[in-house]
Amino acid sequence: AQSVTQLDSQVPVFEEAPVELRCNYSSSVSVYLFWYVQYPNQGLQLLLKYLSGSTLVKGINGFEAEFNKSQTSFHLRKPSVHISDTAEYFCAVHTGGFKTIFGAGTRLFVKA
Amino acid sequence: ETGVTQSPTHLIKTRGQQVTLRCSSQSGHNTVSWYQQALGQGPQFIFQYYREEENGRGNFPPRFSGLQFPNYSSELNVNALELDDSALYLCASAAAMNTEAFFGQGTRLTVV
Repeated sequence: AQSVTQLDSQVPVFEEAPVELRCNYSSSVSVYLFWYVQYPNQGLQLLLKYLSGSTLVKGINGFEAEFNKSQTSFHLRKPSVHISDTAEYFCAVHTGGFKTIFGAGTRLFVKA
Repeated sequence: ETGVTQSPTHLIKTRGQQVTLRCSSQSGHNTVSWYQQALGQGPQFIFQYYREEENGRGNFPPRFSGLQFPNYSSELNVNALELDDSALYLCASAAAMNTEAFFGQGTRLTVV
């Protein structure tokens, strides 16, 4: 069975500082990996995705993530955060077929 | 803008009642998935429809049912509502299975 673990439930960080949101997954088959962002009272917006190819994936809003197969990780990074990045971030895995499995989420709180 | 629209945006129901939530897929998408997101948690997969047939189901009881129509819009029906059914219900559509899914804004259901 597949699972996703987001290692931090909350990450406070000062504006313009770098941030890393950690995600580990468990799967016995090849996976597709995603990061989504959710602003208050809204649906999910795709930040970036890894399907195949280069392990460093660049997404919207200056975010990037690196797929590490040996460590089964897909950590999300941004070199300099803004107040507007305050939101809930979800890591997700899709193994083909019909189901996407989400992590519990990491709340990023950017302080001035 | 994703093009996936859900209605209503908010809904209050009484325990034991039945509810129908609606989702209009993005143009050209034939696959719809429904997710339940309880407060403070990640989305949980309910089921997926592909070309009007249920294609997969998560760990939800039979009182959660759905439909997909010829125009690929979809409904989620929940019978005998329980307090724990209070959540944000998200619909996601995709052009086919195993392709990127686009999420709607969700319907916030409160059961009292």
